[in-house]
Amino acid sequence: GQQLNQSPQSMFIQEGEDVSMNCTSSSIFNTWLWYKQDPGEGPVLLIALYKAGELTSNGRLTAQFGITRKDSFLNISASIPSDVGIYFCAGHRYGGSQGNLIFGKGTKLSVKP
Amino acid sequence: DSGVTQTPKHLITATGQRVTLRCSPRSGDLSVYWYQQSLDQGLQFLIQYYNGEERAKGNILERFSAQQFPDLHSELNLSSLELGDSALYFCASSPRTSGGPSSYNEQFFGPGTRLTVL
Repeated sequence: GQQLNQSPQSMFIQEGEDVSMNCTSSSIFNTWLWYKQDPGEGPVLLIALYKAGELTSNGRLTAQFGITRKDSFLNISASIPSDVGIYFCAGHRYGGSQGNLIFGKGTKLSVKP
Repeated sequence: DSGVTQTPKHLITATGQRVTLRCSPRSGDLSVYWYQQSLDQGLQFLIQYYNGEERAKGNILERFSAQQFPDLHSELNLSSLELGDSALYFCASSPRTSGGPSSYNEQFFGPGTRLTVL
């Protein structure tokens, strides 16, 4: 099936650093969602985006719906230890059956040793 | 708490056995989705039900089946289990599957069932 290209695959953070990750696709999407998953838990919806160019914040998290509708970005400012986890992007493809999402493979955030 | 419940939390069984995983969607949600997540893997979509009817199929094995009941809860049945079926199984729900606003594309996940096949 179709996949989203999510990068980076993993990254190490030091407390206080800003973090950026993104998802790209060859198809146009009309919805972008960002989820966070803690070990052994279900993904939790962080931010939802519905319009090209839209910029939405949730506390220290900011996500953008790319102008081309083929990508999305998530930024975490001033990271803290509890930001550790796996972040997934998900998109609803324009013209796709409503409710069906395509997921990226995730970006794993770990604490710098 | 997403409002989606899944039982059991953990399940340990042997190869060749059959198990049933249960999911209750958020109040008012009509769509239920099942996903499989193996160790360090992404989310693999298995199947979707909407208001009791199968709506979409993903990478679901023939040994697996699901159904959604009139009260909208759903069950995922896994049979002839193999070692490779060990994984986290998630259920998610969303309000509708057609004719609604973009927010209906949002899926809310349950806490998952961890299946271990020995």
